[in-house]
Amino acid sequence: GDSVTQMEGPVTLSEEAFLTINCTYTATGYPSLFWYVQYPGEGLQLLLKATKADDKGSNKGFEATYRKETTSFHLEKGSVQVSDSAVYFCALSDPGGGADGLTFGKGTHLIIQP
Amino acid sequence: SQTIHQWPATLVQPVGSPLSLECTVEGTSNPNLYWYRQAAGRGLQLLFYSVGIGQISSEVPQNLSASRPQDRQFILSSKKLLLSDSGFYLCAWSVLANTGELFFGEGSRLTVL
Repeated sequence: GDSVTQMEGPVTLSEEAFLTINCTYTATGYPSLFWYVQYPGEGLQLLLKATKADDKGSNKGFEATYRKETTSFHLEKGSVQVSDSAVYFCALSDPGGGADGLTFGKGTHLIIQP
Repeated sequence: SQTIHQWPATLVQPVGSPLSLECTVEGTSNPNLYWYRQAAGRGLQLLFYSVGIGQISSEVPQNLSASRPQDRQFILSSKKLLLSDSGFYLCAWSVLANTGELFFGEGSRLTVL
């Protein structure tokens, strides 16, 4: 079945550092890929997405490129801020359009220190 | 615009007591609805999903049940809570055509003592 693997952390960085959170996936078809962010005590919010190979999703300074050859969707940001501290989830959707939602990774806890 | 609400936001219940968490969606029709549980260190686990009124699919056997009495209402229940039911419960919806994108509620923190 489909699966998503991401580093769990916590990942601790200083403000203005470069961020990479790795995400790799296993899927039988060509899924859409997502990054969600969860701030403390809140639900998940969509951060960015990519629906086909070589697409780049971007939002709020974050970027991720859909790499079919390496089955990866790594999240990057050039200069992180304290307000970026959150849990980040990589996820994929079944290409067959099934109704059973997304497959999520376990989440990466990011801590940004001033 | 579409919104999703779930309540209560926090709940502390004794073992063996019943549970009811409610989720409603506004601004859309015929959504797919989902209940996820987030336990510490275990990521997000899909519990139930529904494609229509009265249609519930369960992903894992457990002490919980779900119901969809109205198009935009999704309820998570238990007759007798266990300690292992503690966690952060998230309701979500997606469009029926399933673009894959989910929209999440604010979450309900359940502590079973």
